[in-house]
Amino acid sequence: DGGITQSPKYLFRKEGQNVTLSCEQNLNHDAMYWYRQDPGQGLRLIYYSQIVNDFQKGDIAEGYSVSREKKESFPLTVTSAQKNPTAFYLCASTPSWDASGNTIYFGEGSWLTVV
Amino acid sequence: GENVEQHPSTLSVQEGDSAVIKCTYSDSASNYFPWYKQELGKGPQLIIDIRSNVGEKKDQRIAVTLNKTAKHFSLHITETQPEDSAVYFCAARSRGGANNLFFGTGTRLTVIP
Repeated sequence: DGGITQSPKYLFRKEGQNVTLSCEQNLNHDAMYWYRQDPGQGLRLIYYSQIVNDFQKGDIAEGYSVSREKKESFPLTVTSAQKNPTAFYLCASTPSWDASGNTIYFGEGSWLTVV
Repeated sequence: GENVEQHPSTLSVQEGDSAVIKCTYSDSASNYFPWYKQELGKGPQLIIDIRSNVGEKKDQRIAVTLNKTAKHFSLHITETQPEDSAVYFCAARSRGGANNLFFGTGTRLTVIP
């Protein structure tokens, strides 16, 4: 079945550690995104990639980094510079970047907790 | 940029009753309005969407209405069932890129059997 796979589902990070969240899609979508979700708040865009080998900062990129070396993969690294990383992280994709009919598809999410 | 406000933040209804969730947006250029349902610990799933050239769209028990003049849109769920219990998000987009997709803060709907 086509879809977006995020791993791990649950991740614990110690203070000062970098951690990487995996996102893989087999939908052949050009564009991919990372969102952060905090309780009682909407989704906030961290980074997005319009096409392979390209990525751009979203609204809350500080303390995060990404890469897009392959079309199907868009990993997110939460660095030690991110002071409040505990949240639910969602990866998403769309068939193309700017088609007006784009529907955004989400993965199942990853829970990151700082211990 | 766009600002999307969503109300109420929580909503409880008796099974079989209707539920209505409302959103307002600020950017008159927004032309695409999706609604997502998110179950606990899962990613949001698109349940219905509407574009600015349409005033209403219906899919079985779910309907969305759009008032472009007033810049608000609403989700209507009729004959609610316990499995409708979830968090619902509205969103608005002015251009195709998803960096222009702005989400409301969500409504936690509880359907009481």
